[in-house]
Amino acid sequence: NAGVMQNPRHLVRRRGQEARLRCSPMKGHSHVYWYRQLPEEGLKFMVYLQKENIIDESGMPKERFSAEFPKEGPSILRIQQVVRGDSAAYFCASSPSGSNAGNTIYFGEGSWLTVV
Amino acid sequence: SQQGEEDPQALSIQEGENATMNCSYKTSINNLQWYRQNSGRGLVHLILIRSNEREKHSGRLRVTLDTSKKSSSLLITASRAADTASYFCATGLTGTASKLTFGTGTRLQVTL
Repeated sequence: NAGVMQNPRHLVRRRGQEARLRCSPMKGHSHVYWYRQLPEEGLKFMVYLQKENIIDESGMPKERFSAEFPKEGPSILRIQQVVRGDSAAYFCASSPSGSNAGNTIYFGEGSWLTVV
Repeated sequence: SQQGEEDPQALSIQEGENATMNCSYKTSINNLQWYRQNSGRGLVHLILIRSNEREKHSGRLRVTLDTSKKSSSLLITASRAADTASYFCATGLTGTASKLTFGTGTRLQVTL
């Protein structure tokens, strides 16, 4: 039973390029969350999605960032026109239902984005 | 404002000793979870404690929750070098969408 799968694990982009991070939730999980972790800091919530729906995007920057979780395929976090401050670890997590119901959410190994 | 604050920020102990980490939060919660993160890796879920529970055990881990003080503690007994990692508490807030709010973590170093 594979866990949450993220790719790529490491990504280097030049300023102004686009970064696409992918996340396949655990089997049977329909809820996906994206978090960002800056160096030496805790995780910050970005967005919560269910299939084809964005439920809560209160942590997403207003510009350049978008997320989707299509009916088929992985969830995608897209960062357009990256800047150095976007350099961080981006973690995806999934759960069978909402985490506020007391369900554990399971994290992937993260995608480390470096903007040069 | 930050919901979870871990204390201490860093802790260094010798193998065999106990390690205690504390977490404080500000608003009402549904549950509190503790995670471990090894350097450069993802988060591993350790234990979840609900707001109506006071104490929970899992192996060498003991978690307490005091909702009146809005605080939790994680105790690792008989620590091992493999316990070296960062430990984060995360709270699920009442009345919000399903997202966790993480503290800044405690970096635990266990030496031989």
